Amino acid sequence: EIVLTQSPGTLSLSPGERATLSCRASQSVSSTYFAWYQQKAGQAPRLLIYGASNRATGIPDRFSGSGSGTDFTLTISRLEPEDFAVYYCQQFGTSPLTFGGGTKVAIK
Amino acid sequence: EVQLVESGGALVQPGRSLRLSCAASGFTFSDFAMHWVRQAPGRGPEWVAGIGWNSGSIEYAGSVRGRFTVSRDNAKNSLYLQMNSLREEDTALYYCARAAVGLIGVLLRGEDYFDPWGQGTPVTVSS
Repeated sequence: EIVLTQSPGTLSLSPGERATLSCRASQSVSSTYFAWYQQKAGQAPRLLIYGASNRATGIPDRFSGSGSGTDFTLTISRLEPEDFAVYYCQQFGTSPLTFGGGTKVAIK
Repeated sequence: EVQLVESGGALVQPGRSLRLSCAASGFTFSDFAMHWVRQAPGRGPEWVAGIGWNSGSIEYAGSVRGRFTVSRDNAKNSLYLQMNSLREEDTALYYCARAAVGLIGVLLRGEDYFDPWGQGTPVTVSS
């Protein structure tokens, strides 16, 4: 099983600041099979990024993804109030499909 | 509008069974692989099971293999999860999720990122 470890657990930032979230895989993952999701309280996760760097439909360009192999990054260039949420990474190349434990982006 | 609506969640005792359903609308259901994902309170999502467009490919998480069975009825645009021998650790909100792409419809071919998700149905296993 591919274990995804996200860091930090919580990121405390102010609106307008840049957020950098990390996801490390226990073994190499093809970037084709890597995604990021955003989850707000009481809601289902929402797809943000697929293929490591492709924004899903309707996702603003302040969200960007990068990485390959075992290290992937989600960057939010300038935090908007609606971006404070929990973010999860996912690999879907190998069964079982796995998610990271999440990074909470909190208002400082 | 693409919509997934789960139902069937309940409070059940350990060892009992439960069947979840997911009604899909707004897209050609038979084109897409479908998945169940659960989320325990305060935890991240955990993938449970996936099924290809024609039920020809099926995968399970190790924690549920042998106890849970995923199935689909393309004529009814519905996805199911039969859960047997339930344990307290199965307590979670269970989401139905569609593979984001329906070109191949087979699991593990690069389409199994999830968009959209349903609103979830709660399952509580407790005596």
